[in-house]
Amino acid sequence: DIQMTQSPSTLSASIGDRVTITCRASQDITFWLAWYQQKPGKAPKLLIYKASRLESGVPPRFSGSGFGTEFTLTISSLQPDDFSTYYCQQYKSSLITFGQGTRLEIK
Amino acid sequence: HLVESGGAVVQPGGSLRLSCAASGFTFDDFAMHWVRQPPGKSLEWVALISWGGETAYYADSVKGRFIISRDNTENSLHLQMNRLRPEDTAFYYCVKDIASDGPSSGGGYSDHWGQGALVTVSS
Repeated sequence: DIQMTQSPSTLSASIGDRVTITCRASQDITFWLAWYQQKPGKAPKLLIYKASRLESGVPPRFSGSGFGTEFTLTISSLQPDDFSTYYCQQYKSSLITFGQGTRLEIK
Repeated sequence: HLVESGGAVVQPGGSLRLSCAASGFTFDDFAMHWVRQPPGKSLEWVALISWGGETAYYADSVKGRFIISRDNTENSLHLQMNRLRPEDTAFYYCVKDIASDGPSSGGGYSDHWGQGALVTVSS
């Protein structure tokens, strides 16, 4: 199976900060990567697919980049609603796998 | 719209069947998944079934114990869970793929999730 490793596990930041979350795959997944945001008690919400494509309705302060084994999710200017947990997910293989999550908290 | 049902408390070694009622989209155009999340922990993909039900994939942790199925006449998705273990305790989400066969047809990620059903495996 393809293992996905996110870093950091927890990130403390302030409103207006630019933050970056990294996701590494254990093997080449080209651009078959998605990012989700999850708030407590809620189902995950799709933000980014195909590594860099913004899902409809997602604010443009969110962006994704990367190819192969290393990927990033960037939030250009943190808003109060962005303090959540973020997950990457590979879909290169039909045995889909998620990263362990990054919790973004208010500093 | 995806609504899960069937969550319950069950003893180790027992069985349980989860169901998911789908509406608001053409159900038999899309592959479907089950994804689970133990309380306070990370997401884990469980299983994928193609649009017609002919092809299914399972995570190693559930292979041989769980069976994913669908009824396109009823717009429903199911997960039969057998030989349950305490580590199967989780919220189980019914999830819609963006394509008909998941990764093999250019999909594999999900644009709609249900709200989850809690399965607790405990004596």
